[in-house]
Amino acid sequence: GESVGLHLPTLSVQEGDNSIINCAYSNSASDYFIWYKQESGKGPQFIIDIRSNMDKRQGQRVTVLLNKTVKHLSLQIAATQPGDSAVYFCAENMRRANFGNEKLTFGTGTRLTIIP
Amino acid sequence: GAGVSQTPSNKVTEKGKYVELRCDPISGHTALYWYRQSLGQGPEFLIYFQGTGAADDSGLPNDRFFAVRPEGSVSTLKIQRTERGDSAVYLCASSLIRGYEQFFGPGTRLTVL
Repeated sequence: GESVGLHLPTLSVQEGDNSIINCAYSNSASDYFIWYKQESGKGPQFIIDIRSNMDKRQGQRVTVLLNKTVKHLSLQIAATQPGDSAVYFCAENMRRANFGNEKLTFGTGTRLTIIP
Repeated sequence: GAGVSQTPSNKVTEKGKYVELRCDPISGHTALYWYRQSLGQGPEFLIYFQGTGAADDSGLPNDRFFAVRPEGSVSTLKIQRTERGDSAVYLCASSLIRGYEQFFGPGTRLTVL
């Protein structure tokens, strides 16, 4: 079936540096993408989302880039802090393609470690 | 305000037993979702409720799994004849209406011995 995958399972970044987490998706019908952060023992926490009619969206210290041509999604975190250490998941949804289908399909995740 | 809550936080049971996992969504949220997360994996969709009805149960792995939401608020995920492979964290999420941001609870860690 269709799946969302990640290029790297782990990533270590020096505190204060920028980090980039990548994600590849395989379903070209997906039209909505979300990045989640999950800390140990907690549920996923929404970070930022982007719709397929956009290439870039910015939040506070985070930017999501969407390249539909190669079906690639990335999350950029600027000026990383120790609190950014967590597992990051990308997820996709095909709302327009199948209206009413609200399930999210998650990737495996990338563990980001911020080195003090 | 209060977020999504799930009880119990941990559940240990023996193979073949029946378990119930409870989810209290954010007040006023009409959509409710159940996901299962195995160790080292991303959450996997199980079922989605809009109000009291299950709008999409395509993710339930087999007929041992069942979920209800009788009054459109609290939901219970029920697992019969548990198997060791059912061990995972079961996550619940809710959203204000269909299509809006999903807020996740902390999950229930189920261990089947």
